[in-house]
Amino acid sequence: GQQLNQSPQSMFIQEGEDVSMNCTSSSIFNTWLWYKQDPGEGPVLLIALYKAGELTSNGRLTAQFGITRKDSFLNISASIPSDVGIYFCAGARPYGGATNKLIFGTGTLLAVQP
Amino acid sequence: SAVISQKPSRDICQRGTSLTIQCQVDSQVTMMFWYRQQPGQSLTLIATANQGSEATYESGFVIDKFPISRPNLTFSTLTVSNMSPEDSSIYLCSVARPAGGGNGEQYFGPGTRLTVT
Repeated sequence: GQQLNQSPQSMFIQEGEDVSMNCTSSSIFNTWLWYKQDPGEGPVLLIALYKAGELTSNGRLTAQFGITRKDSFLNISASIPSDVGIYFCAGARPYGGATNKLIFGTGTLLAVQP
Repeated sequence: SAVISQKPSRDICQRGTSLTIQCQVDSQVTMMFWYRQQPGQSLTLIATANQGSEATYESGFVIDKFPISRPNLTFSTLTVSNMSPEDSSIYLCSVARPAGGGNGEQYFGPGTRLTVT
């Protein structure tokens, strides 16, 4: 199935560093979502973005909905060891009436060294 | 969000057999979804589980292989039929919030890790 282009594929950083990852698509989306998945768990929703240009923060996380509606980025400031995991972007578009269908990005593996 | 549970959490099955995965939500939801996550990969939507009607399957997934039930607004099952090693994956259910799914937010269960030998 279709997937969004997410980069970088992996990142290995030192604790305290800032992190940036992004997601691009050839299609527009109505909503952009960012998830984090820990080993053996389901993805957990971190941030949801609903409008082009919107910039939203959740603690040390900041995400933006691209003006073109075809991209989004996620920044993590002052990383800590518990930030380790796989981060997925997802775009939502209408799918039969009011339902929205999610298309997921390829994922970014984040490793943080204390 | 919603509290979502899945059973079993993991299983090891022999090829040719079938496994039914259950998904239970702590509140009524209109939209429930089933995803597959192959080892080291992203999530791929299998189907949307519709209450009171047949599931809507994505391209590449068929009802004979992945039959889905949705008997009420808090429960759904996914069966992986006639399994082969290629079916080894994590299977995840999700629900849409708000309940009608209008904003696109989805919340995921913990997943079922399936290994087929």
